[in-house]
Amino acid sequence: EVQLLESGGGLVQPGGSLRLSCAASGFTFSSYAMSWVRQPPGRGLEWVSAISGSDGSTSNADSAKGRFTISRDNSKNTLYLQMNSLRGEDTAVYYCAKGASISGWLYGDVWGLGTTVTVSS
Amino acid sequence: DIEMTQSPSTLSASVGDRVSITCRATQSIGRWLAWYQQKPGKAPNLLIYKTSSLESGVPSRFSGSGSGTEFTLTISSLQPDDFATYYCQQYNSSPLTFGGGTKVEIK
Repeated sequence: EVQLLESGGGLVQPGGSLRLSCAASGFTFSSYAMSWVRQPPGRGLEWVSAISGSDGSTSNADSAKGRFTISRDNSKNTLYLQMNSLRGEDTAVYYCAKGASISGWLYGDVWGLGTTVTVSS
Repeated sequence: DIEMTQSPSTLSASVGDRVSITCRATQSIGRWLAWYQQKPGKAPNLLIYKTSSLESGVPSRFSGSGSGTEFTLTISSLQPDDFATYYCQQYNSSPLTFGGGTKVEIK
């Protein structure tokens, strides 16, 4: 069974950092692009960042550029999101999602349960 | 950035009703559109990709249509399990963007 399990969320002060992890199982992790998508409380979905499975190329939403870094360790079947300079508007549930192809993440065909990030003093 | 607008934002319907949700893009996205269903406290679930391709395991009462800038998700006969929020997402160009969501409520 294909599964994604996020971890690393929590309460952090504005300006702080967090690293989210997403452990994948049940599929050949290195063969698929992966992405992070977030959902602020009571609001809709927002794509954050994506990484290809082939060459590790990345793309980011403007809200993430310069502050968030997506990466992957194919030997550990794990996706990461390093988040720095956190702001209140980064408060959200963060989901990792598997793409349907190896190159670009187009849409998510499998999603994790999510991990909650709260940025507050 | 391509903005996606869904309508209505809330839809009240009864079991057995045929319901349609519209998603409009601010510029042409071809047929590069996906639809998701999300229930409270749960992750999104992929229903349809490339406008009209049904994801494996998704009931055939769900269908999608459209092209360019206007798209529709239709549920042919609403079932109790279908009361949820639905999102469209374009993947024609980066940044990938989602619609604001349509909540389907029990009438």
